[in-house]
Amino acid sequence: DGGITQSPKYLFRKEGQNVTLSCEQNLNHDAMYWYRQDPGQGLRLIYYSQIVNDFQKGDIAEGYSVSREKKESFPLTVTSAQKNPTAFYLCASNPGLGRYQETQYFGPGTRLLVL
Amino acid sequence: AQKITQTQPGMFVQEKEAVTLDCTYDTSDQSYGLFWYKQPSSGEMIFLIYQGSYDEQNATEGRYSLNFQKARKSANLVISASQLGDSAMYFCAMRVHNTGRRALTFGSGTRLQVQP
Repeated sequence: DGGITQSPKYLFRKEGQNVTLSCEQNLNHDAMYWYRQDPGQGLRLIYYSQIVNDFQKGDIAEGYSVSREKKESFPLTVTSAQKNPTAFYLCASNPGLGRYQETQYFGPGTRLLVL
Repeated sequence: AQKITQTQPGMFVQEKEAVTLDCTYDTSDQSYGLFWYKQPSSGEMIFLIYQGSYDEQNATEGRYSLNFQKARKSANLVISASQLGDSAMYFCAMRVHNTGRRALTFGSGTRLQVQP
């Protein structure tokens, strides 16, 4: 089945530790996105990539880093510089073609907790 | 800058009744797309419906319809014949076309509870 997978479902981070959240899609979508959701709030854009080997900062990029070496993969690293990383992280992609070219399709998310 | 406003933090509806979730948006661009997503307690965002700013007809997808009033800058979601499984958070979002940024701007959401 085509879709977006995120792993792990839950992730625990110790103080000063970098952690990486995985996002993989087999939909052949060019564009991929990372959003952060805090409790009771909407989604905020962290980073996005429209093509392999290229990505742009979103609204809250500080303390995060990404890479886009393959079309299928867009991992997000939460660095020790991110002082309040506890949140729900959602990865998305969009097809770029057809009537729903702009529609973003989301993975199941990763919940990050700080120990 | 774009902004989405959802003024209803929570809504209740009886099963089988219709409900309207409000969404207003702010943009100076003429070309944009509007989206509604459903987020059940599992957390995954589920795409429901899309409306382009130049679409002449209001979008419909099964029990979901979008009441698009361009002059008022509103894009309300109407769910007909509510079901218990409709209980979830609902988010309105927008993407403006005339920018290089293809990401969505989201509202703060409305929690819908369907009562039997």
